[in-house]
Amino acid sequence: ELKVEQNPLFLSMQEGKNYTIYCNYSTTSDRLYWYRQDPGKSLESLFVLLSNGAVKQEGRLMASLDTKARLSTLHITAAVHDLSATYFCAVLQGAQKLVFGQGTRLTINP
Amino acid sequence: DSGVTQTPKHLITATGQRVTLRCSPRSGDLSVYWYQQSLDQGLQFLIQYYNGEERAKGNILERFSAQQFPDLHSELNLSSLELGDSALYFCASSVDGYSYEQYFGPGTRLTVT
Repeated sequence: ELKVEQNPLFLSMQEGKNYTIYCNYSTTSDRLYWYRQDPGKSLESLFVLLSNGAVKQEGRLMASLDTKARLSTLHITAAVHDLSATYFCAVLQGAQKLVFGQGTRLTINP
Repeated sequence: DSGVTQTPKHLITATGQRVTLRCSPRSGDLSVYWYQQSLDQGLQFLIQYYNGEERAKGNILERFSAQQFPDLHSELNLSSLELGDSALYFCASSVDGYSYEQYFGPGTRLTVT
């Protein structure tokens, strides 16, 4: 059974700092996704990573994938308050099923 | 706005009751997915339909059922509700049945009292 684990689960940081969220998964998969969720809201797709060594960047967020290590990272550069949210990684199991990590609740303080 | 719509936004009902949640996928999307988000279980895949047929099943209870209609909208039926069924239920859609990009709806918050 595919398991997806994120760490840390809670992260409080100051504006302007850099930090990384880690996502480990237990079996091979073709795709890894990162989503953002604001409180009480839906999931917003951030990145889809398809291959080993894939790196994608959008603004202050950068995601990478190492399929050999079964590890993805979401790096936050010079954090700003607007990035406060819960971030989920999800791994595709088979052709259809997304298995989600527990989520990382990120709080960015002024 | 992802283009996926879900109704109702909120639902409050009593234990033992039955409810129906509705989802309309994005225009052109053939596949619909249902997910449950709860404090205890996190985000869990329930079931997927593709062009009217069940394609994949996850951790869906026997008390729950779903279907996708010819116009591609989907309904998730929850019966004999228990307190533990209280959760946020999301629908997502994708163009095909292979989950390249799933677009999530706003969710239905179900509270069972």
